Parts: sequence; structure tokens; C-alpha cells
Amino acid sequence: GQNIDQPTEMTATEGAIVQINCTYQTSGFNGLFWYQQHAGEAPTFLSYNVLDGLEEKGRFSSFLSRSKGYSYLLLKELQMKDSASYLCAVRNYGGSQGNLIFGKGTKLSVKP
Amino acid sequence: NAGVTQTPKFRVLKTGQSMTLLCAQDMNHEYMYWYRQDPGMGLRLIHYSVGEGTTAKGEVPDGYNVSRLKKQNFLLGLESAAPSQTSVYFCASNKRGGTDTQYFGPGTRLTVL
Repeated sequence: GQNIDQPTEMTATEGAIVQINCTYQTSGFNGLFWYQQHAGEAPTFLSYNVLDGLEEKGRFSSFLSRSKGYSYLLLKELQMKDSASYLCAVRNYGGSQGNLIFGKGTKLSVKP
Repeated sequence: NAGVTQTPKFRVLKTGQSMTLLCAQDMNHEYMYWYRQDPGMGLRLIHYSVGEGTTAKGEVPDGYNVSRLKKQNFLLGLESAAPSQTSVYFCASNKRGGTDTQYFGPGTRLTVL
């Protein structure tokens, strides 16, 4: 089967660093995506990992370990506007044309 | 370049009524998707299309139909709405190849009474 787990909620302080973890079980893995979704809005693309290692993009970084079925999203220098849900999604070629399987999302609250 | 647009933004239906949600993209993407998002459930794929004239079932297709008559449009139909179909519906699209990043529309909030 396919399964993606991430924490339901997290709280962090403005200016701090927070790490949001995602573990997955899937067949035919072909990439992992992180999306940001503010309340009442559409998900927007943050990062993509297909090989092991760290991808850095400004204040956001994403890490992937395929052997462990594990990824994390690292947010540095947190700002109030980073309060949002963060969605982990895995793409596989398990008979669905490479569709994405989404986790349930992690709601991050940034406090002053 | 508007990206992915959805019509309508909000809708209230009575049980048994029908409606069609329209998704349009101006990025010349081959793939298009319809998702629903419910509290505590995450995004779930309803139907998808890999090109004009093609459609396929996703994870939760029951009660919905779709059509992709033109490359830029993907329609989602509810023939006989049920309260269980109360949800936020998102359309997404991506081009074939590369990272295949999906781009999402703004969503349609549907309530079925």
C-alpha cells in the first residue's frame, strides 16, 4: 500500500528554525514534493526532491533519504507569514501515470 | 498568463441537484487533475486526464464524471449531489516531463444541503 505520514500540527517562534518531517511508503518512487497552503487558498509549490540529499531555496530547504522513506522541510528565520499548512506529496509510477499521493498536511503556527 | 482558473468559487446545492465545475489553464499543460480536500483527509484525487479526449479514475471517483474536450479545459460534473460531496475542490495541471510540478487553481467551495 501507499502511506504518507506527517505531524498534524506544529508551533514555532518567529525567527526560529522548524523542521517538518514526512515519512512515506510507496512503490515505484519518483519524486517528493512539498507544497505550502495558506488557509482558504490553493497549495503552492515549494520544493522537489528526487535524489538523496538537500535542496536549498532561500529560507526553505528540503531533504530526502530514499532508503529510509524520509523527507523533511526546514524553514529558517521564521516569519509570521509562514503560518500555513505544509503538504508532503509523493509521486510514483505504480499504475497511476505518476500521480501525486498527498499526506494530510502539517499546520504550522508561528507565534511572535 | 492567468495560470489555472476555476469557476465558480462558491456554490450551494440541494441534495439531488447537478452541477459542473470548470477548470481552465493557459499554460498548454497536457495533464490535468481534480482533487477534493476535506478536513483531516488531505488532498484526494478524483479524476485526472493525460491529454485532450482522455480521462481516468483517481482515488475517489464515485459520484463524479469528467470530460476533457479541449486541452485547456477540464470539467468535473456532479450528476446528483450528496451531502458527502461537500468539500473544497481543486483543479491542478502540469506539463509532461521535467519535475512535472502541479500547479493548482484557487479552489471551489461546494456545500450540499
